[in-house]
Amino acid sequence: AQSVSQHNHHVILSEAASLELGCNYSYGGTVNLFWYVQYPGQHLQLLLKYFSGDPLVKGIKGFEAEFIKSKFSFNLRKPSVQWSDTAEYFCAVCGYSTLTFGKGTMLLVSP
Amino acid sequence: DAGVIQSPRHEVTEMGQEVTLRCKPISGHNSLFWYRQTMMRGLELLIYFNNNVPIDDSGMPEDRFSAKMPNASFSTLKIQPSEPRDSAVYFCASRSASNRANTGELFFGEGSRLTVL
Repeated sequence: AQSVSQHNHHVILSEAASLELGCNYSYGGTVNLFWYVQYPGQHLQLLLKYFSGDPLVKGIKGFEAEFIKSKFSFNLRKPSVQWSDTAEYFCAVCGYSTLTFGKGTMLLVSP
Repeated sequence: DAGVIQSPRHEVTEMGQEVTLRCKPISGHNSLFWYRQTMMRGLELLIYFNNNVPIDDSGMPEDRFSAKMPNASFSTLKIQPSEPRDSAVYFCASRSASNRANTGELFFGEGSRLTVL
């Protein structure tokens, strides 16, 4: 079975601070990895995804993530956060068929 | 494209009542997923369909929950009878299969927020 662990449940940052959200997954085979974002009161939207190739993936709004296979990790980063990045972030893994989500990390960016 | 459409957006009902949530996937997508989101348990996959056929319903919490997909453009999730612990946001998502099985992005609806009193 596949599983996803997100390290932090809540993160509070000031604007312009750098962000790194941890994500580790467990699955024995080839995986596809995703980060989704859920803004307050909205549905989940795709931030970025990794299928193969360059392990450093760039997504929308200045986000990027690095797939490190040896560490089973897919951490999300952004050099300088904005107030509008306040949202919940979900890491997800797709092994054979379905997407399994982590429990999410709530990011609060103070102006 | 209109995206994944769910209804109702909000539902408040009393314990014991039947609840039916509806979903229209993106046209051309052949996989449909129902997720439940709560503070305590996060996002849980309830059931998913490929080409209108239920593939995995192991996430359905109990017999009070049932889901159908009578055609490619419509699915329902029914709870009968409802209980307060069913209160959650229920998301429907759809996906287009690719040659490499099941790698496509999931597109989510706006969700149906259910409150059972």
